[in-house]
Amino acid sequence: AQSVTQPDIHITVSEGASLELRCNYSYGATPYLFWYVQSPGQGLQLLLKYFSGDTLVQGIKGFEAEFKRSQSSFNLRKPSVHWSDAAEYFCAVGARGYNKLIFGAGTRLAVHP
Amino acid sequence: GAGVSQSPSNKVTEKGKDVELRCDPISGHTALYWYRQSLGQGLEFLIYFQGNSAPDKSGLPSDRFSAERTGGSVSTLTIQRTQQEDSAVYLCASSPQTDYNEQFFGPGTRLTVL
Repeated sequence: AQSVTQPDIHITVSEGASLELRCNYSYGATPYLFWYVQSPGQGLQLLLKYFSGDTLVQGIKGFEAEFKRSQSSFNLRKPSVHWSDAAEYFCAVGARGYNKLIFGAGTRLAVHP
Repeated sequence: GAGVSQSPSNKVTEKGKDVELRCDPISGHTALYWYRQSLGQGLEFLIYFQGNSAPDKSGLPSDRFSAERTGGSVSTLTIQRTQQEDSAVYLCASSPQTDYNEQFFGPGTRLTVL
């Protein structure tokens, strides 16, 4: 079955520390992968996406993610977290010609000053 | 350009009443999606429209839920005889005609059923 797992429900980091949010997927086809961020009371904003090619992709707000096919993972990273990064982060997977995205349950990030 | 808009932003209703939620997609986007996000949960797919094709209704949780898309643009999600478990944020997204299915989300409608 197709699924996305975000193992960490909540993560707390100090401002300036590095961040890695985990995402594992199970998908029968070659996946397209996405990370979205949702601030309180807001919709989802696309951070970055992977379709093909270079497995390290850069996104907005200083985020990057690396696609590792052998591990079925697409972890999100940021070298230095800012207080404004506190939000909920969703990983999603889709495929060419497949009209739905499958979303993970999300990881809520808190940032301590 | 304008993003996806949804109205109302908040809706409080009494159990048993019908509600309509509206979504205006990005101009030119042919695909439109509805999702439901319950408290502390991820996104649950409800329904998908693509151009003039028959919608994919496979995610609708019951026959109390329906949606239409008029003129290939605006969409309305209708919930009849609302129940307390329908309380959630309803998110709409649109996508251009590509193979990559990159979706752009609206701010959502928070529905509270008392």
